[in-house]
Amino acid sequence: QKEVEQNSGPLSVPEGAIASLNCTYSDRGSQSFFWYRQYSGKSPELIMFIYSNGDKEDGRFTAQLNKASQYVSLLIRDSQPSDSATYLCAVGTGRRALTFGSGTRLQVQP
Amino acid sequence: GAGVSQSPSNKVTEKGKDVELRCDPISGHTALYWYRQSLGQGLEFLIYFQGNSAPDKSGLPSDRFSAERTGGSVSTLTIQRTQQEDSAVYLCASRDRGQETQYFGPGTRLLVL
Repeated sequence: QKEVEQNSGPLSVPEGAIASLNCTYSDRGSQSFFWYRQYSGKSPELIMFIYSNGDKEDGRFTAQLNKASQYVSLLIRDSQPSDSATYLCAVGTGRRALTFGSGTRLQVQP
Repeated sequence: GAGVSQSPSNKVTEKGKDVELRCDPISGHTALYWYRQSLGQGLEFLIYFQGNSAPDKSGLPSDRFSAERTGGSVSTLTIQRTQQEDSAVYLCASRDRGQETQYFGPGTRLLVL
């Protein structure tokens, strides 16, 4: 079992819809959770991080964490074509390096 | 302020040659990471430096890979006797003390022919 799992996609949503990206992790000791966005040919850029159970909102983005179920999700409201990218889930386990999932490719259709 | 910079941006080499990749972290950041990303894959951790502590080399795939960080700032990742499977994007990230967030450089795209 991979340490951090994501559906590779592509996840296709129409413009203006809510995109829901999910991630599960295996290490119950995981302490910090990150969502990075990566455009094709570019390096990852941080979207959000979350440490505590529940929701964290930042503009059109909401991160949700459920430690009991070992999943973290990212909701993107009012999706725009410019949101089309690969979204990487990363988990910090206290081993100092982040463990990344392989990413979910999101396509927002105009 | 300036972000993480990496050089070269692209490198094409022949199998068996050695290559050196350079990373300049964000000024003042004490932690520096190297990752590798193969085409269509997630990021694979290679090595981590924190201040003057011994580096965490647990992610290095073989003894052909090594890295150093001089003066607590610039880092060089060296791959000896390159193989075609070493072809990937090599990403460097830095992190400020006490913070969790890592900031990535633009990467070096390595192609081994």
